[in-house]
Amino acid sequence: AQTVTQSQPEMSVQEAETVTLSCTYDTSESDYYLFWYKQPPSRQMILVIRQEAYKQQNATENRFSVNFQKAAKSFSLKISDSQLGDAAMYFCAYRRYTGNQFYFGTGTSLTVIP
Amino acid sequence: GAGVSQSPSNKVTEKGKDVELRCDPISGHTALYWYRQSLGQGLEFLIYFQGNSAPDKSGLPSDRFSAERTGGSVSTLTIQRTQQEDSAVYLCASSLRTGVVGRNTEAFFGQGTRLTVV
Repeated sequence: AQTVTQSQPEMSVQEAETVTLSCTYDTSESDYYLFWYKQPPSRQMILVIRQEAYKQQNATENRFSVNFQKAAKSFSLKISDSQLGDAAMYFCAYRRYTGNQFYFGTGTSLTVIP
Repeated sequence: GAGVSQSPSNKVTEKGKDVELRCDPISGHTALYWYRQSLGQGLEFLIYFQGNSAPDKSGLPSDRFSAERTGGSVSTLTIQRTQQEDSAVYLCASSLRTGVVGRNTEAFFGQGTRLTVV
């Protein structure tokens, strides 16, 4: 079974600084999708960024970027120029290329310090 | 609709009562998921539906929990004889099928139903 591990239950960052959230996963598949979701206090889960495993290039979305290391099964999220609105719970998720089930990590709570 | 819609947003019920939670997925999404999230915790998978296939019920915590999806669209999660440990936020999500290069494959979530059993 696929498992997703987020080893940092809590992280904090100074406003305008950069922070990296870690995620590792376990799979025997070669094709799959990886996601980072953000859940603010409003509890609405919002997609931050996605990565297709067959793409070698790391995905970027404005201030958000990933470091995808397929061989190491690592998928970290980097947030640059952190803003107060980035404070939220962040979940890493995995989905098989031909599957429907999503596997979520346990989340990392990010605090942004003014 | 434009997004995944869940109702009610909040539900307070007495222990032992039955509750029904509703999820209206994005039109055209064949996959629908239910998750449970206890306070400050991660997502606990409950059940998912894919088209007309038999649902994967492997995450349902007890036989008090059941779900159905009518006409491949709206889904209802039913909890019978509610217990205090059922108090949580219940999240619904929908997605397209995978297996197509370039297709958006993320799950789209509703805002959840906060269930409180008193």
